[in-house]
Amino acid sequence: GDSVTQMEGPVTLSEEAFLTINCTYTATGYPSLFWYVQYPGEGLQLLLKATKADDKGSNKGFEATYRKETTSFHLEKGSVQVSDSAVYFCALKGLGGSQGNLIFGKGTKLSVKP
Amino acid sequence: GAVVSQHPSWVICKSGTSVKIECRSLDFQATTMFWYRQFPKQSLMLMATSNEGSKATYEQGVEKDKFLINHASLTLSTLTVTSAHPEDSSFYICSASSIRADTQYFGPGTRLTVL
Repeated sequence: GDSVTQMEGPVTLSEEAFLTINCTYTATGYPSLFWYVQYPGEGLQLLLKATKADDKGSNKGFEATYRKETTSFHLEKGSVQVSDSAVYFCALKGLGGSQGNLIFGKGTKLSVKP
Repeated sequence: GAVVSQHPSWVICKSGTSVKIECRSLDFQATTMFWYRQFPKQSLMLMATSNEGSKATYEQGVEKDKFLINHASLTLSTLTVTSAHPEDSSFYICSASSIRADTQYFGPGTRLTVL
């Protein structure tokens, strides 16, 4: 079945460092891909998404490109801030099933130190 | 953007009692709502999917008689944890999507603690 694998954390970076969180997926067809962020004590928020191959999703300085050839959707940010400290979830919405449910990776906790 | 609310944000109850959690889409009609459970430091586990006016579809291993889901309108779904036990303590999250949307919008979650 469909699945998402993302790098295990926690990831600790200094402010202004470059961030990459790897995410790869297994799915039939061409799923939509998402990154969600969960700030401490809050619910999940959609960070960005891409719906077809070679699409680039971007938001708040974060980017991720839908790579069909490598089945990847890695999250990147050029210069992280303390306020980016959160848990990041990669997810896919497949074509199978009646609901097109979201399938999540296990999440990667990011801590940014001043 | 689309807003989904949950109520209550946290609840503490005694073992054996029932707890109802509400999920509301505030500014759009949610044809489908999803209920997730999140364990500490783990990913979200989909519990069930509900469409307005029909019975919920439960994921394998989720007891439908214990976790009662009602989606009576296009803006409201409820999850009732019946005869709660300490092992039901968790963070419950709902999400909602409209028929045209490719995106699920998540509520802030409800922290349930069963004593």
